[in-house]
Amino acid sequence: AQSVSQHNHHVILSEAASLELGCNYSYGGTVNLFWYVQYPGQHLQLLLKYFSGDPLVKGIKGFEAEFIKSKFSFNLRKPSVQWSDTAEYFCAIDSGYSTLTFGKGTMLLVSP
Amino acid sequence: DGGITQSPKYLFRKEGQNVTLSCEQNLNHDAMYWYRQDPGQGLRLIYYSQIVNDFQKGDIAEGYSVSREKKESFPLTVTSAQKNPTAFYLCASSIGGTSGRRNEQFFGPGTRLTVL
Repeated sequence: AQSVSQHNHHVILSEAASLELGCNYSYGGTVNLFWYVQYPGQHLQLLLKYFSGDPLVKGIKGFEAEFIKSKFSFNLRKPSVQWSDTAEYFCAIDSGYSTLTFGKGTMLLVSP
Repeated sequence: DGGITQSPKYLFRKEGQNVTLSCEQNLNHDAMYWYRQDPGQGLRLIYYSQIVNDFQKGDIAEGYSVSREKKESFPLTVTSAQKNPTAFYLCASSIGGTSGRRNEQFFGPGTRLTVL
């Protein structure tokens, strides 16, 4: 069965620091990849997605992610975080089954 | 304004009572999903439905039941058999079918259930 691993459960950064959140998956076939974000008190929303083409995808609010097929990874990056990026981030894969498989999430706290 | 609505936002019930959580979507999506979110455990799939009048168990279906009588609606009942029902419940939908984007899910605001 497929699985998704997010390496860090909690990340604490100062404003303007660079961010990289790790996401690895286990599945040998073709996948679609997603990052979702859940801001405090808000519902889960799509940050960015990869279906095919350029493995470097750009999302909302300056986030980007790179799909590296050989490493089964889809890490999320942002060059300079803001206090408003404080949220929980979820990586998910679509391996062609009937639903997504989610990682356990990474809680990001950005201190002003 | 298209989207997914879940009601109520907060729900309190006494132990031993069944409770039904509402989920409605006007996105014309075929597929709908229920997840449970607990701190540190991510999203765990309870039930999902690819089409009206059909649904499948997810990873943690025990103690829950669903129905899908209408395309727009996918209510979840938390029964008294669920041993630890206090949690945040999320409903989602996706276009489904055979589209390459069939599993791109859109989420509702969630219902926080507390069983006293």
